[in-house]
Amino acid sequence: NAGVTQTPKFQVLKTGQSMTLQCAQDMNHEYMSWYRQDPGMGLRLIHYSVGAGITDQGEVPNGYNVSRSTTEDFPLRLLSAAPSQTSVYFCASSLGVGGSRGAFFGQGTRLTVV
Amino acid sequence: DAKTTQPPSMDCAEGRAANLPCNHSTISGNEYVYWYRQIHSQGPQYIIHGLKNNETNEMASLIITEDRKSSTLILPHATLRDTAVYYCIVRAFGNQFYFGTGTSLTVIP
Repeated sequence: NAGVTQTPKFQVLKTGQSMTLQCAQDMNHEYMSWYRQDPGMGLRLIHYSVGAGITDQGEVPNGYNVSRSTTEDFPLRLLSAAPSQTSVYFCASSLGVGGSRGAFFGQGTRLTVV
Repeated sequence: DAKTTQPPSMDCAEGRAANLPCNHSTISGNEYVYWYRQIHSQGPQYIIHGLKNNETNEMASLIITEDRKSSTLILPHATLRDTAVYYCIVRAFGNQFYFGTGTSLTVIP
């Protein structure tokens, strides 16, 4: 049982490049979400999913796409990276209604866009 | 979900109890109070949550006022490893977690 696994741990992109941040969980959780954390700030919700095939926007969705084809995986896509997307990205998963312990977080992906 | 207010920073002597306050004056009846912490730049870690009653687990205690407008997270015997940013979040089951800027707790030797 690995929990929430994020890959890669570090990434440097050039402006305009695209990439996909991977997130996988093995706890059969319904809910998955992506956050970004800028220096000295709290986490801000980008996108979330309440189950396979269902996604929705959070607080800061612009510049990011997501899809949820399986329960286990929830990739985050940057179509054209910008320096403003330099941040630490966290993926989280949780049970839906009835889940008592809240969200489990991955260890983060540190992205730098130059 | 209701908004929360926390002090930006606090210090605590090692071995003493750390009491971290949180104000959530607009909390609704179906909203829970959750506490998470983030050590360095790791992923946030769940600590405890509650609805009305006080709660205790192996990590901490959560005291919620009778009117539910504020709460206090208590780390009974703070250690240096408890130095972290602590987030208080109010959330209804099924909703997402929205993080504020939290309280930066420094445990002093």
